[in-house]
Amino acid sequence: TQLLEQSPQFLSIQEGENLTVYCNSSSVFSSLQWYRQEPGEGPVLLVTVVTGGEVKKLKRLTFQFGDARKDSSLHITAAQPGDTGLYLCADSNNAGNMLTFGGGTRLMVKP
Amino acid sequence: DAGVIQSPRHEVTEMGQEVTLRCKPISGHNSLFWYRQTMMRGLELLIYFNNNVPIDDSGMPEDRFSAKMPNASFSTLKIQPSEPRDSAVYFCASSEERNTIYFGEGSWLTVV
Repeated sequence: TQLLEQSPQFLSIQEGENLTVYCNSSSVFSSLQWYRQEPGEGPVLLVTVVTGGEVKKLKRLTFQFGDARKDSSLHITAAQPGDTGLYLCADSNNAGNMLTFGGGTRLMVKP
Repeated sequence: DAGVIQSPRHEVTEMGQEVTLRCKPISGHNSLFWYRQTMMRGLELLIYFNNNVPIDDSGMPEDRFSAKMPNASFSTLKIQPSEPRDSAVYFCASSEERNTIYFGEGSWLTVV
């Protein structure tokens, strides 16, 4: 059974700071997805990465996929209070239709 | 476009009572998922339907849990009898095959 570990579990920072959160898998990812979940809402897909070494940017968010496709990082530049939420990584099965989630990193950005 | 619609949003019930959670997937999506989220265990997949047929129910915790999808636009998750340890947020999600999975806003269940 694949295990996805995310670190840190909790992160509280001031507005304007940079941060990086990590996702590590016990096995190679089929495809890695990052989600953000805001309080009282369901998770929303941010990005999907498939190729080892891939880097994707979404405004102030930079997603990096490890060369061996067993780890990933999410870097946020100049964090804003609107970035507050639970950041989840997930792997899909080979058919691409079922997700296994990590435990998440709970981020709070204080004004 | 309407997203995945779940009801009720919040439910408080007494131990032993039957609980039914409802979900309307996004029109045209052929895959439907039920997830449960708790602080201790995170997001766990309970069951996955494809074209209204249950494909994988290995995540259903025990016989007290059952899920149905009588047609492409409706699914239920039933807990009978409910127990305090079932307290969680239950999410329904849907997707077109191999595409983005969209989550509903969740049903917050408290069993006292």
